Amino acid sequence: GENVEQHPSTLSVQEGDSAVIKCTYSDSASNYFPWYKQELGKGPQLIIDIRSNVGEKKDQRIAVTLNKTAKHFSLHITETQPEDSAVYFCAASKGNNDMRFGAGTRLTVKP
Amino acid sequence: DAGVIQSPRHEVTEMGQEVTLRCKPISGHNSLFWYRQTMMRGLELLIYFNNNVPIDDSGMPEDRFSAKMPNASFSTLKIQPSEPRDSAVYFCASSRGQGFQETQYFGPGTRLLVL
Repeated sequence: GENVEQHPSTLSVQEGDSAVIKCTYSDSASNYFPWYKQELGKGPQLIIDIRSNVGEKKDQRIAVTLNKTAKHFSLHITETQPEDSAVYFCAASKGNNDMRFGAGTRLTVKP
Repeated sequence: DAGVIQSPRHEVTEMGQEVTLRCKPISGHNSLFWYRQTMMRGLELLIYFNNNVPIDDSGMPEDRFSAKMPNASFSTLKIQPSEPRDSAVYFCASSRGQGFQETQYFGPGTRLLVL
């Protein structure tokens, strides 16, 4: 089955700096890659997603890139703010039958 | 819309007791998912319903776990008997359409502690 690895497990940046979180997946048939943000005491919330027919997608300060050949995808957050502090999860899905999550990255943005 | 509603938010029980977790998905959503989150294993899919029918329950740990969706607006996850290793946060999520490639909206979770 699909295996998703996520790095780093923790990331600390200064407010205003950029943050990058990387994930790799094992199943080349995976074609949907969402990113979730989980704040303390809450459920995960989708922040951006990308499908395998697209190499990059951007939404304001958040962008995701996908390299299908290397089977990795990354989340980029620019101009980080303290409210970006949370745990971020990547995931990979193929078809309608499965979705696997990475282990999560705890991002801390220091003011 | 109120979003996905889960109850209870917190549950503390003793080993061997029956636990029932409840979920109300977002109105109009056709798919419902139950997940378990622990420090050791991360976020794991337990079971997935589409149009009230269980599609994939391969993530259900063992026979002690069961899930039902009697109608489009209600689902339960039951653990009987509960064990300390079942302690985790259990999330319910719903989405439009079928499968995993639509946006999933997660509830706030139920934090379960089995003593």
